[in-house]
Amino acid sequence: EVQLVQSGAEVKKPGESLKISCKGSGYSFTNYWIVWVRQMPGKGLEWMGIIYPGDSDTRYSPSFQGQVTISADRSINTAYLQWSSLKASDTAMYYCARRAAVAEYFEYWGQGTLVSVSS
Amino acid sequence: DIQMTQSPSTLSASVGDRVTITCRASQSISTWLAWYQQKPGKAPNLLIYKASSLESGVPSRFSGSGSGTEFTLTISSLQADDSATYYCQQYNSYPLTFGGGTKVEIK
Repeated sequence: EVQLVQSGAEVKKPGESLKISCKGSGYSFTNYWIVWVRQMPGKGLEWMGIIYPGDSDTRYSPSFQGQVTISADRSINTAYLQWSSLKASDTAMYYCARRAAVAEYFEYWGQGTLVSVSS
Repeated sequence: DIQMTQSPSTLSASVGDRVTITCRASQSISTWLAWYQQKPGKAPNLLIYKASSLESGVPSRFSGSGSGTEFTLTISSLQADDSATYYCQQYNSYPLTFGGGTKVEIK
């Protein structure tokens, strides 16, 4: 069974750093792209970027380029989303999802990680 | 970037009704479109890909159609369990973009 399990909720202060994770199981982790999607409170879905764990090829949405870093550690089947300096506007639910083998839609999703940033 | 516009933003219908949600792309995306259902507090769930292909395990009352710039998601007979927000997503080109969502409420 394909599963994506995300790390737990985080409460942070503005300016702090953060790295959240997404661990894949039940499939060959290195062979499928992993995407990160933001959902701000009460809002819609936003595509942040995508990584291919096999070679760490990464693409970012222009809206998020330079604001976050996406990475992966294929030895432990885990993808990451990190911030070096959080802002209050980063408060959101963040989802990882696995891309389909042959096209850019998303078949399997993690449960989400809620990030709250407040002074 | 390709903009995806969904309408309506909210709809209210009765159990058994036929429901249609529209998604329009700002430029042609062929049939590179997916639909997702999201229930409160849950991750999105894939319903339809390539505009009209039903994802395995999704009830057959859901169907998708369209190509180019105009697409529809239809629920042939609305069930109480279909109360959710529905999103379209284009995957014709980067950055991938989602529609703003359509919230379906049961009367």
